[in-house]
Order: sequence, then C-alpha cells, then structure tokens
Amino acid sequence: EVQLVESGGGLVQPGGSLRLSCAASGFTFSNYAMTWVRQAPGKGLEWVSTITGSSGNTYYADSVKGRFTIARDNSKNTLHLQMNSLRADDTAVYHCAKENPYYYDLWGQGTLVTVSS
Amino acid sequence: QSALTQPRSVSGSPGQSVTISCTGTSSDVGGYEYVSWYQQHPGKAPKLMIYDVNRRPSGVPDRFSGSKSGNTASLTISGLQAEDEADYYCCSYAGSYIYVFGAGTKVTVL
Repeated sequence: EVQLVESGGGLVQPGGSLRLSCAASGFTFSNYAMTWVRQAPGKGLEWVSTITGSSGNTYYADSVKGRFTIARDNSKNTLHLQMNSLRADDTAVYHCAKENPYYYDLWGQGTLVTVSS
Repeated sequence: QSALTQPRSVSGSPGQSVTISCTGTSSDVGGYEYVSWYQQHPGKAPKLMIYDVNRRPSGVPDRFSGSKSGNTASLTISGLQAEDEADYYCCSYAGSYIYVFGAGTKVTVL
C-alpha cells in the first residue's frame, strides 16, 4: 500500500528538542523529494522543509532555519525532522508529503507536536 | 515567504458553482505555472485536487477545475456536492525550492 506514516510527536518544553519520523511504503522512496508541512491548531498549512531524493539537498522556511534539520535514510525508506530550540509557535500537526515536481501527491496523517511548559 | 491570500469562506447550494481565489505575487503565483490545490476534511490528511494550475489527478472529479490570471489562481467547483464541504488550500512554487501555501478557505454546502 502506498502510504506515509509519521511518528515521534508529543509534548515538549520550550527550548527542548524532538525528532519526527515518516515511514514510507509502496513507492521508490529514493526517487522523490520529501517535504514536511505543518498546521498549527485552527490554522492553515505551512511549508517547513524539503529534501531532494538522491542528492539530499535541503531547504528550509525562514521560520525554522537554523533550528530544524531534515534528513532521510533511503535504505530504510524513512524521513526525519530533527527539531531543536522549540518554541510555542512550533506547536502544530506535522505532515510529511511526497513531492512530484512542484506538487504533493501523497500525504501522511500527521503527528502532533505541542510545545508548552 | 508570506502566505497566499484566500477568502476565509465561500458557500453554495448543492448543484451550484463556487470559485476560490488565491492571490500571490509575481515571485510565486505570477511567476510560475506551479499552483496546486488541496482539499482537507476535518482531522484528515490533505488531498491533491489540482496541480500545475489546471491539471487534475486521476480520480478527482471533473467538477474541480483550476485556472490562473496574473498573480491570482482560482479553483472552481461546479455542481457542488455535500462531500465537497471541506477546507481548501492553494500552494505555489516560489523559486529556489521554496513553497508557499494559502491560509485556506472553508467551503460550506448550504
């Protein structure tokens, strides 16, 4: 089955760290760029970060640059997002998405990250 | 990286047509033919409805169509049905592997 399943969300204190994972199945993972998109409670979608398929080039939104790191393990069909120096405004559901050039044709259900003391 | 501008809500009766606008700048919507639209029901993952401005993935009803003029893209739902009630988001490529989403539009079927 073609799917993406996120994990790793939870409650973390401001300034803390969390590592999200996204397990991919049903397609040739290494052939595609992968992206993290987040959605704050009651808010819209926000592009967070993208990593290309084979070369592993990475790109970040200004709001997370220097704090978040995207990575992938093509041998395990897994995408990661290491989040450091977390702030209250990072609270959101984090979705991973498979990118065909210039659009996202497969999304995961998301994992909730709550940053609160 | 400012969000694209969408109306907060639109509504229509079953069978009617509704159009959602998505306004950006010449650096995103106006600069590329890479606008996509996503449907999201509450608590669900977003679903691709339109890509490359006006192309429809297999399985998406032809009631959904997309267009673009200048810095504004549009999604039209013709023959509105109850299951179309959802949030809709536009997304545009903005160069240098950067993407920007709209704030979302709630479609209500009266």
